[in-house]
Order: sequence, then C-alpha cells, then structure tokens
Amino acid sequence: DIQMTQSPSSLSASVGDRVTITCQASQDITNYLNWYQQKPGKAPKVLIYDASKLETGVPSRFSGSGSGTDFTFTISSLQPEDFATYYCQQFANVPRTFGQGTKLEIK
Amino acid sequence: QVQLQESGPGLVKTSETLSLTCIVSGDSIRSYYWSWIRQPPGKGLEWIGYIYYSGSTNYSPSLKSRVTISLDTPKNQLSLKLTSVTAADTAVYYCARGANYYRYWGQGTLVTVSS
Repeated sequence: DIQMTQSPSSLSASVGDRVTITCQASQDITNYLNWYQQKPGKAPKVLIYDASKLETGVPSRFSGSGSGTDFTFTISSLQPEDFATYYCQQFANVPRTFGQGTKLEIK
Repeated sequence: QVQLQESGPGLVKTSETLSLTCIVSGDSIRSYYWSWIRQPPGKGLEWIGYIYYSGSTNYSPSLKSRVTISLDTPKNQLSLKLTSVTAADTAVYYCARGANYYRYWGQGTLVTVSS
C-alpha cells in the first residue's frame, strides 16, 4: 500500500492567514493526488484533483502543487468557513489511501 | 443534480454481516465507477473498494476476504456487504461516485457493531 503522510496533523491559524499543508507519498504517484475538505458531520468535499486542478465552484484561494512524492496544499487567505479537516488521497494504486488528516482550527 | 443516499441498519451484532444500500439519483450507475469509503468515529478515511457497471470490482486487501460490492442496475443502486464484523468495523460508511476522485458523496450512515 502507498502510505500518505500529512503534516501537520493539526494547525491553529487566524482569518486572513496563509496556510500550507504537506502530503508525502511513500512512493512516486506522479500527480495522482486529490485534496478534500471535511466539516464535522459532513461528507468530504473535493477541492483539488490531479494535484493542482481546482474543482469547479471551489474558491481560488485554494491551490495545490507537487508531483512525485511531495505535495502541497495552500489556502492563501483563510476565511471563517475554511476551518475544517483536510485530507490528501492518492489514486496511483489500489488500495486508494488517504492521509491521516490535518485539522485546521481557529487561533 | 446527482444525489447518493445510504441506508441500512445502524446496529449490527458482532460476527454478523453488515449490509448497506446506496440509492443513486440524477445519474445512471452504468456511467461511472462507484465506491465505498468508511470513517471510524473521530478517525480518518478508509477506502473499501469500487465497482464498475460491467461488474468488475477492486477491494482493499485488508477487507477483501469479507467484502462484496454489487450493483442493482434496474434500481440504480449499489450495495455493500461486509461479513464477520467486529467492533473495528464501527464507522460512518459513505458511498461515492468515482474510482480515482470523489465528486459526489452520500451523507454517510453510521454503523455500530456491538454484541
């Protein structure tokens, strides 16, 4: 299985801050990586697919980059509705695997 | 508008079989891959497997001996069966459209395994 290691596991930030989350794959996954946002009691929502493509309807303050084994997810200016848990997910191999999540909290 | 709705028992006894259904509306299950993903309370996401309308499936190796995903095309729904459940199978179970990335999800259904 491909292991996905996200960091940090939690993060405190303020509205307006720039936030970066990283995800490292245990082997080369080219750009086969997605990012999701999950709020309590809700299903995850895809924000970024294929490592850097913005899902339709998702605000442009969200972005993703990287290839191979190292990936970055950035929120350029945090908004109140962005406080949630974020997951990366690879689809290079089966089983599909997710990072352990990054919980973004209000400072 | 694509909608997915999971349903099934919220409580299953240890060693029995967990059975869930996901009704799809606004889309044909013949058009895409369909997946099941679960999330233990307070924990992260775990992929269970997917199915294509042709019937081809792919399962997580850790669950493969216990899991079956199937389609009912006339009813436009998919199902999940997980046998010999234990407390470790307690989770919110989601169905989702896709095999690589998941644009559409059900709201999830909590299944608790208890003796």
